[in-house]
Amino acid sequence: ETGVTQSPTHLIKTRGQQVTLRCSSQSGHNTVSWYQQALGQGPQFIFQYYREEENGRGNFPPRFSGLQFPNYSSELNVNALELDDSALYLCASSLGQTGSYNEQFFGPGTRLTVL
Amino acid sequence: KNQVEQSPQSLIILEGKNCTLQCNYTVSPFSNLRWYKQDTGRGPVSLTIMTFSENTKSNGRYTATLDADTKQSSLHITASQLSDSASYICVVSRGLGGYNKLIFGAGTRLAVHP
Repeated sequence: ETGVTQSPTHLIKTRGQQVTLRCSSQSGHNTVSWYQQALGQGPQFIFQYYREEENGRGNFPPRFSGLQFPNYSSELNVNALELDDSALYLCASSLGQTGSYNEQFFGPGTRLTVL
Repeated sequence: KNQVEQSPQSLIILEGKNCTLQCNYTVSPFSNLRWYKQDTGRGPVSLTIMTFSENTKSNGRYTATLDADTKQSSLHITASQLSDSASYICVVSRGLGGYNKLIFGAGTRLAVHP
């Protein structure tokens, strides 16, 4: 186990709804990254938070937003859900930004199904 | 375009046999290359991280190689075990100054049969 936890484990929503996913980073880690992994694909980078500020973002629309709290836990919010948002959402924490040799530790993921 | 391509897409081997997975990338600027193991329904777990100057790195029965000139990497698994059945993902870190963006391959799905 990596020490990174995510909740909920599974979630079913309908198109147009909003969802909030949560992540608790490994103790001492100040950076959290979120990824979307469609079935049979590699994870796609959504965004990264470093010390409570977003400092990097992938090719995802503004309806994907996030927060990082003072204890470095994080939330991923998705508004106006679409069918294509169905995926495994992974959270990863690291000490420092995802640069040089900083290793990322992944949580088990949240499986989101949009009907 | 910054991409990571892996081959084969899937592989079946018998327990005890060796195998090699391939990764080609076109990511620039290059920072480092990582191999992850992902069990079904779980998050990826890091196996190795290599920088530009490292040609090979081992982690138990896993050995990764990197040729930064040809932009190729391989992951060799020795004496495979049933527990090696998983997806193996090649990830290249793109150095962008303030943070490094990770570019993931689609993975190779390995099945080890008894």
